[in-house]
Amino acid sequence: QKEVEQNSGPLSVPEGAIASLNCTYSDRVSQSFFWYRQYSGKSPELIMSIYSNGDKEDGRFTAQLNKASQYVSLLIRDSQPSDSATYLCAVRGSGGSNYKLTFGKGTLLTVNP
Amino acid sequence: EAGVAQSPRYKIIEKRQSVAFWCNPISGHATLYWYQQILGQGPKLLIQFQNNGVVDDSQLPKDRFSAERLKGVDSTLKIQPAKLEDSAVYLCASSLDRWGYTDTQYFGPGTRLTVL
Repeated sequence: QKEVEQNSGPLSVPEGAIASLNCTYSDRVSQSFFWYRQYSGKSPELIMSIYSNGDKEDGRFTAQLNKASQYVSLLIRDSQPSDSATYLCAVRGSGGSNYKLTFGKGTLLTVNP
Repeated sequence: EAGVAQSPRYKIIEKRQSVAFWCNPISGHATLYWYQQILGQGPKLLIQFQNNGVVDDSQLPKDRFSAERLKGVDSTLKIQPAKLEDSAVYLCASSLDRWGYTDTQYFGPGTRLTVL
């Protein structure tokens, strides 16, 4: 059974700070990693995807992947109150029945003005 | 480009009643997913279609849940009879091609089901 673990939070940061969200996964051969943002009462929205070790930057967001440690993180720079949401980590395995997306429970982020 | 459409947005039923949800994926997307998201948890995959064939329904409670995707486009998820623990948001998602490792899933607005 594949598992994706996230700290449930809540994680509270002041406006303008860096928010750091972490995720670990159990399936060593996972290939694809995604971060979704979910506002309260809304559906998940993809904000970042990463497939190889290292960092990937998109605006204020940076995803970091370390396959050896089975760890993926999301950094949000210059956090804004509008970033307050639940952030879901999702992992796709290598193939066959493992190819489906497995989600963590999400981390609730609150950015305080 | 239109997103994933779902209806209804909200549904309240009593236990043992039946309910159906409808999903229309993004045009051209071959793969369609139904997820169940219970409050405070991440989405859990119930069933996955590639065109009109089922490729994964391992987590679908088949004694009460059923789903179909006729003609490889729209899909319907049914619960009969509903239980209290079925109260959740039912999310439909679609993607272009499930076999691409960069394949990205896009979610619809969801249907919030309350079972009383």
